[in-house]
Amino acid sequence: DAGVTQSPTHLIKTRGQQVTLRCSPKSGHDTVSWYQQALGQGPQFIFQYYEEEERQRGNFPDRFSGHQFPNYSSELNVNALLLGDSALYLCASSLSQTNTEAFFGQGTRLTVV
Amino acid sequence: AQSVTQLGSHVSVSEGALVLLRCNYSSSVPPYLFWYVQYPNQGLQLLLKYTSAATLVKGINGFEAEFKKSETSFHLTKPSAHMSDAAEYFCAARRQSGTYKYIFGTGTRLKVLA
Repeated sequence: DAGVTQSPTHLIKTRGQQVTLRCSPKSGHDTVSWYQQALGQGPQFIFQYYEEEERQRGNFPDRFSGHQFPNYSSELNVNALLLGDSALYLCASSLSQTNTEAFFGQGTRLTVV
Repeated sequence: AQSVTQLGSHVSVSEGALVLLRCNYSSSVPPYLFWYVQYPNQGLQLLLKYTSAATLVKGINGFEAEFKKSETSFHLTKPSAHMSDAAEYFCAARRQSGTYKYIFGTGTRLKVLA
């Protein structure tokens, strides 16, 4: 059973560009959450998608947006990249919003130069 | 606001010694609590979780944690450290209802000395 898969694993972007990160949840999971982990910090909640809608959002600007597809996979989009957006972006999936356990992917390492 | 505090950003222990990683939470209502481990260039792996059942929780790789409401703590322990335990450990909290986001601590890097 494949766990949570994210792509790409690494990428480098220039300031001002836009980026799209992708996540496939664990089989059977219908809820996807995204987290940003800056170097030396704990993950910070960006938002959560369930039934193709954004259900909760953390303290991130509108430059961060997302989408969930009918097959439960998800994308994280970041516009107008800043140097401070450099981080590991983690996707977590769970079975329904109320499930207590989230499974995390390996993450996408984004470097903005 | 809910928060998680991990005391000690770096902890070093000798191989075979007791591992103790500290975590305190701040919440008016006891949350669900989790410990995750992160190896270099990898995602987070769940070690154990507290979900209002037994206060002493056993996890994978010989780790366990005890929920103490009076101390608002959820410290992680392992009786005997192994070299393979060297990693970053994160404590996280999630409310039991109303919001399902995880609040993470800043992490503790465990170093195991031969």
